[in-house]
Amino acid sequence: KQEVTQIPAALSVPEGENLVLNCSFTDSAIYNLQWFRQDPGKGLTSLLLIQSSQREQTSGRLNASLDKSSGRSTLYIAASQPGDSATYLCAGLNAGGTSYGKLTFGQGTILTVHP
Amino acid sequence: EAGVAQSPRYKIIEKRQSVAFWCNPISGHATLYWYQQILGQGPKLLIQFQNNGVVDDSQLPKDRFSAERLKGVDSTLKIQPAKLEDSAVYLCASSSLRIDTQYFGPGTRLTVL
Repeated sequence: KQEVTQIPAALSVPEGENLVLNCSFTDSAIYNLQWFRQDPGKGLTSLLLIQSSQREQTSGRLNASLDKSSGRSTLYIAASQPGDSATYLCAGLNAGGTSYGKLTFGQGTILTVHP
Repeated sequence: EAGVAQSPRYKIIEKRQSVAFWCNPISGHATLYWYQQILGQGPKLLIQFQNNGVVDDSQLPKDRFSAERLKGVDSTLKIQPAKLEDSAVYLCASSSLRIDTQYFGPGTRLTVL
């Protein structure tokens, strides 16, 4: 069964800092790995999606990497802004194993960027 | 291309009442998912449909939750009777294939008093 863990659970940084959010997964048979943003009480906004054959994806100030062999993904946010404050979730879609066809989420990292 | 639609966006009910949520997936998407997200946790899959058949409902509390997907398009999720611990955001997602990117709707925020 796939398990996804995110570290840290919460992070508070001053504006302008570069930061890294970590995601680890136990089953490497993933089809893709996705990073989402979620504002309080709202739905999910997809930020970046990395296919299993890819190593990284970039969008603006965001860069996500994927290392299937070590079961890790990182989300790098450059020059953080107060508007980046939200919960960040990673999720792996399994293409094999007992979690076949399932999208498994981590518990999220709550990010606060203060001015 | 229209995204996944859900309604209502918010619902407040008292415990032991019933409630229903509606989801319209992206046109042509065969697979539809319902997730429950309790505050402070990641979303958890409740049920997965492939067309109008159930693929996985292993985490659906079947004594109080039910879901259907008539004609393989729209879907409804019902809770009867609701408990306090059902307070959560209910997310609907769809994908074109079972192993493919899932697209999420805006969610329904349920508060049970």
